[in-house]
Amino acid sequence: DTGVSQDPRHKITKRGQNVTFRCDPISEHNRLYWYRQTLGQGPEFLTYFQNEAQLEKSRLLSDRFSAERPKGSFSTLEIQRTEQGDSAMYLCASSLDDRDNSPLHFGNGTRLTVT
Amino acid sequence: SQKIEQNSEALNIQEGKTATLTCNYTNYSPAYLQWYRQDPGRGPVFLLLIRENEKEKRKERLKVTFDTTLKQSLFHITASQPADSATYLCALSNTGNQFYFGTGTSLTVIP
Repeated sequence: DTGVSQDPRHKITKRGQNVTFRCDPISEHNRLYWYRQTLGQGPEFLTYFQNEAQLEKSRLLSDRFSAERPKGSFSTLEIQRTEQGDSAMYLCASSLDDRDNSPLHFGNGTRLTVT
Repeated sequence: SQKIEQNSEALNIQEGKTATLTCNYTNYSPAYLQWYRQDPGRGPVFLLLIRENEKEKRKERLKVTFDTTLKQSLFHITASQPADSATYLCALSNTGNQFYFGTGTSLTVIP
């Protein structure tokens, strides 16, 4: 178990640029989640994959956000035309679909700053 | 939509005492409730899970209760230590697939 890894750890970008983050889940985990967290708040659900299928998206996820998990392994989250309000920590988590209460294993996040 | 509230104020307690953190929810009927610990700059780490038909769960110095009538979970850390200082998050789910998190409570254990 090497844990969930996220890349990059930090990203600074100018408003209007596109950014892409990568998440590598724990290898045998078939569920993968993206959350966003701002200072002083809890993680906010963005989207969730079961294998390569994106099963749920938050209504808060604007059409500038897109996530993929092409082969059911790693995932990418892209934000197009970034805005200052997108500045946050983006967390990825994975879990094993062997029961309906599997704990989430989080990575240490990608901190995005939009200037 | 569901609303999940945790102690809004940071909690400071003396080493050795019991810390009690609260998670209240409305407009929701979770089947599962999890507690996580988060240190600065890190992702949350799972601590305990409790199901709706369980009243209490224990793990070493940790105890969680779940009262579906009061719509509340209490999280206790007994014999607290400075190393327990962190933010603690509750997370609720009614399907086991998607978890909604509270705002978190910052705990500081003073030596």
